[in-house]
Amino acid sequence: DTGVSQNPRHKITKRGQNVTFRCDPISEHNRLYWYRQTLGQGPEFLTYFQNEAQLEKSRLLSDRFSAERPKGSFSTLEIQRTEQGDSAMYLCASSPRDRGETQYFGPGTRLLVL
Amino acid sequence: AQSVTQLDSQVPVFEEAPVELRCNYSSSVSVYLFWYVQYPNQGLQLLLKYLSGSTLVKGINGFEAEFNKSQTSFHLRKPSVHISDTAEYFCAVSDRVDYKLSFGAGTTVTVRA
Repeated sequence: DTGVSQNPRHKITKRGQNVTFRCDPISEHNRLYWYRQTLGQGPEFLTYFQNEAQLEKSRLLSDRFSAERPKGSFSTLEIQRTEQGDSAMYLCASSPRDRGETQYFGPGTRLLVL
Repeated sequence: AQSVTQLDSQVPVFEEAPVELRCNYSSSVSVYLFWYVQYPNQGLQLLLKYLSGSTLVKGINGFEAEFNKSQTSFHLRKPSVHISDTAEYFCAVSDRVDYKLSFGAGTTVTVRA
């Protein structure tokens, strides 16, 4: 069990640029979640997948955000035309089919938009 | 929809002293309850969870929590803390369908020698 991995761990970009983050869940976990955590706050739900299907998107996920999970394995989160308000830690979590309530978190990707 | 209130933003405590972190939640449906810990620059690690049954839940690293339905609370306790318990602690709830988590704002625990 190698745990949930996220890449890159840190990303610095200029306002207006596009960025893409990757999450590799624990093998055979069918659900995958994305959360965003800003400084001094708890994580906030963004979206989740069951296998390759994206089942729910939060209102926090504006049109500039898109997430995919091709083939139900890894997932990517893309932010287009980044804004300074997008600066945050982006966390990915996965859960197994038989214990769907238990989410295992990755180390996160910290994004800084200058 | 669910919401979580963590009543203490910061809790300083001396090593080997007990600590209690308070958490209240609101929800119109039955929920699962969780406590997560976050060490600096790391992701979240599950400490314990309440799904059903006994209201006293034991977790890792000597932590325990008690679910109180009438007070809609899920307070976390540890009888004797260590320096290594210095971290951010998050209380969270999820519904029983899609399991997406709603977190509180967190409690920073600082353990001093």
